[in-house]
Amino acid sequence: GAVVSQHPSWVICKSGTSVKIECRSLDFQATTMFWYRQFPKQSLMLMATSNEGSKATYEQGVEKDKFLINHASLTLSTLTVTSAHPEDSSFYICSARGSSQRGTQYFGPGTRLTVL
Amino acid sequence: QKEVEQNSGPLSVPEGAIASLNCTYSDRGSQSFFWYRQYSGKSPELIMSIYSNGDKEDGRFTAQLNKASQYVSLLIRDSQPSDSATYLCAVNKGGSWGKLQFGAGTQVVVTP
Repeated sequence: GAVVSQHPSWVICKSGTSVKIECRSLDFQATTMFWYRQFPKQSLMLMATSNEGSKATYEQGVEKDKFLINHASLTLSTLTVTSAHPEDSSFYICSARGSSQRGTQYFGPGTRLTVL
Repeated sequence: QKEVEQNSGPLSVPEGAIASLNCTYSDRGSQSFFWYRQYSGKSPELIMSIYSNGDKEDGRFTAQLNKASQYVSLLIRDSQPSDSATYLCAVNKGGSWGKLQFGAGTQVVVTP
């Protein structure tokens, strides 16, 4: 149980375009979803926390107008990177947490974004 | 002081030996503790969760928690080359929608 999927697994786009990444909890209802970014050889960096039906809470330094997060249902959250630039190239990982899992976060497989 | 601290490694362990990973945390109010394994280029995978003082065993893995000392550890018995990865310690303080504080990770290298 506790499977989280992400789509796409990798994406290459041109600078200035927008990219949408989907995160789904397949076998549980995710009351909270988290979006992380990880650059090579670096630690996970939490970008934002989203609760179903609420606006996302962004970490300090993360531009909310650039990284749009929607958590429209208990099984789906999306991250849209708007007007992507090469410096946005990174590994984006979502995680999901159910209401009865004592804080356990289950991670999706990640999306590798390359902006040319 | 970082909220969650781990030795970065690499921790080199002979195949078949025990790997011992340590983690300390700063917030005494922390309630839940997790170990994740992350292979290079992959996302983290949950190995163990522990909530109460003492030991918790799952297969070759044993997590140990000591809240008084604000210390959590992970033992990997009979280490295999497939255990070579970065191990992340994560702590949930409670509240904050279950946000986890992650350590920087300890890289483990199991040598045949």
